Amino acid sequence: DGGITQSPKYLFRKEGQNVTLSCEQNLNHDAMYWYRQDPGQGLRLIYYSQIVNDFQKGDIAEGYSVSREKKESFPLTVTSAQKNPTAFYLCASHTPGTGANVLTFGAGSRLTVL
Amino acid sequence: AQSVAQPEDQVNVAEGNPLTVKCTYSVSGNPYLFWYVQYPNRGLQFLLKYITGDNLVKGSYGFEAEFNKSQTSFHLKKPSALVSDSALYFCAVRDGNYGQNFVFGPGTRLSVLP
Repeated sequence: DGGITQSPKYLFRKEGQNVTLSCEQNLNHDAMYWYRQDPGQGLRLIYYSQIVNDFQKGDIAEGYSVSREKKESFPLTVTSAQKNPTAFYLCASHTPGTGANVLTFGAGSRLTVL
Repeated sequence: AQSVAQPEDQVNVAEGNPLTVKCTYSVSGNPYLFWYVQYPNRGLQFLLKYITGDNLVKGSYGFEAEFNKSQTSFHLKKPSALVSDSALYFCAVRDGNYGQNFVFGPGTRLSVLP
């Protein structure tokens, strides 16, 4: 079945450590996104990528980094510069310009800073 | 800039009664509108969308939504609520004329009481 796989599902980090969240899709979608979800704030866009080797900052990119070396993969690194990283992180993908225009989401990764 | 408002943090309904979850939006161009549902510690699941055409859109699990251009609204409805409908619901908008980004509302928590 086609879909988006995020790993790990749960991750604990000590302050000062960088961590990388994995996102892999086999939907052949061109665009991929990372959102952060905090209670009562909905989803906020961290980074997005329309094509391989290209990505843009979203609304809350500070303290995060991404890469897009392959169409299928869009890993997110939460750096030590992110002051409040505890949150639920969602990866999504879609193909721009198609009639469907629907974002497909992964199951999410919950990061807790100890 | 795009924006989405969901004026109710929480909606409570009795099982078997009709439910409405409200959404209003703002975009510069043509609105592409979406509803998603999220269960605890899961990703978002697509329910329905409005791109063009009939203002009444039918989606998954018996949900429907009505696009109202003059009121810039896209309320989610279901004629008879189930306890299993209890979840967090997100409205999202994308500007069909400009850009590829989806903007999400803050979410509305629906509780269906037995």
